[in-house]
Amino acid sequence: TQLLEQSPQFLSIQEGENLTVYCNSSSVFSSLQWYRQEPGEGPVLLVTVVTGGEVKKLKRLTFQFGDARKDSSLHITAAQPGDTGLYLCALHISSGSARQLTFGSGTQLTVLP
Amino acid sequence: EAGVAQSPRYKIIEKRQSVAFWCNPISGHATLYWYQQILGQGPKLLIQFQNNGVVDDSQLPKDRFSAERLKGVDSTLKIQPAKLEDSAVYLCASSFTGLTEAFFGQGTRLTVV
Repeated sequence: TQLLEQSPQFLSIQEGENLTVYCNSSSVFSSLQWYRQEPGEGPVLLVTVVTGGEVKKLKRLTFQFGDARKDSSLHITAAQPGDTGLYLCALHISSGSARQLTFGSGTQLTVLP
Repeated sequence: EAGVAQSPRYKIIEKRQSVAFWCNPISGHATLYWYQQILGQGPKLLIQFQNNGVVDDSQLPKDRFSAERLKGVDSTLKIQPAKLEDSAVYLCASSFTGLTEAFFGQGTRLTVV
């Protein structure tokens, strides 16, 4: 069972459209990170959300952390081909004395020109 | 600041052969991760080091995979013998501590034929 479920798995849209992708868990978590991975590259951190109900904006990207801290969403306004990539949510979970960085299954976004 | 360096970028081997991947993390980063990423999926943590000690290797198939981080800097991941299902991208990441942003290398794409 995946700790983090992401939806949709695939999304293909036209340039200029808006979209929202989701990250859900059955557990409450203290913070959550969103990464974007472009083809042939490693994931790159976009944002960390910490507080329930928190909203963060990064240009055309809006990140929201659910009030109950069990879900998060990423909204992109007026998508551009450069937004194409794999969007991953991730969280640190306790594993013994360490904190593991665990990823969801990802949403593969394709923005067509 | 130099990023996380990985080599080789690509490797094709026959099943039952052995292979090794190398990672040089960002200078000063204590935490080093190795992830396996199957095409279209999120990265799966294989092993996490804190300096030169293993803090989590619960998802490492220890009958065929091994990893070391001598002197708490560079790391190598080895597969011996390889199976077809090991075909994936192997990502190395590092972070200053286990709770800060993780920086990823470009990965090594392994194809087992």
